[in-house]
Amino acid sequence: SQELEQSPQSLIVQEGKNLTINCTSSKTLYGLYWYKQKYGEGLIFLMMLQKGGEEKSHEKITAKLDEKKQQSSLHITASQPSHAGIYLCGADGSGGSQGNLIFGKGTKLSVKP
Amino acid sequence: ETGVTQSPTHLIKTRGQQVTLRCSSQSGHNTVSWYQQALGQGPQFIFQYYREEENGRGNFPPRFSGLQFPNYSSELNVNALELDDSALYLCASSFGQFYGYTFGSGTRLTVV
Repeated sequence: SQELEQSPQSLIVQEGKNLTINCTSSKTLYGLYWYKQKYGEGLIFLMMLQKGGEEKSHEKITAKLDEKKQQSSLHITASQPSHAGIYLCGADGSGGSQGNLIFGKGTKLSVKP
Repeated sequence: ETGVTQSPTHLIKTRGQQVTLRCSSQSGHNTVSWYQQALGQGPQFIFQYYREEENGRGNFPPRFSGLQFPNYSSELNVNALELDDSALYLCASSFGQFYGYTFGSGTRLTVV
């Protein structure tokens, strides 16, 4: 079965600094989703990547999917306290059909003012 | 356009009891998935419904069951509750393939 490994598990950065979170899959990714979660709350959809080499940006967050479609990175530029939370990567576990999402364990981000 | 709403937000049950959690999908979404998220873990897929039919199931025992109604709202039922069932239960709805899922805020279930 497919597994997603996220690194680092947790991250503390000073406000204004850049940071990167990685997500590595044990199998080829057909669809890779990034979500943000505030503690104990629902997930907020950030971005979805499908094609090898694809890159998407929204405000100060950029996500990339590598050419081999087995690794994705999430980069935050000039971090702010509002970026704090748990970042989760999720993969479509059914090879592109309407399947389930398999999630990594998450990366907890803290931003110090 | 309303998002995904879940009820109740918090619930405490005794081991062995049964519980029903409810989810109202975002308008126009025909696919709903349920997830269990234990503390410190990523969400784990329980099952998915597409147009009222179960469309995939994760590694959960049969005492976890669900329903999707014609208006695409859904229920998650758990029988014979165990202490390990304590978790945040999330539902997510979508238009389907290649669309992002919209998640509800979850129901926090505590089994004592």
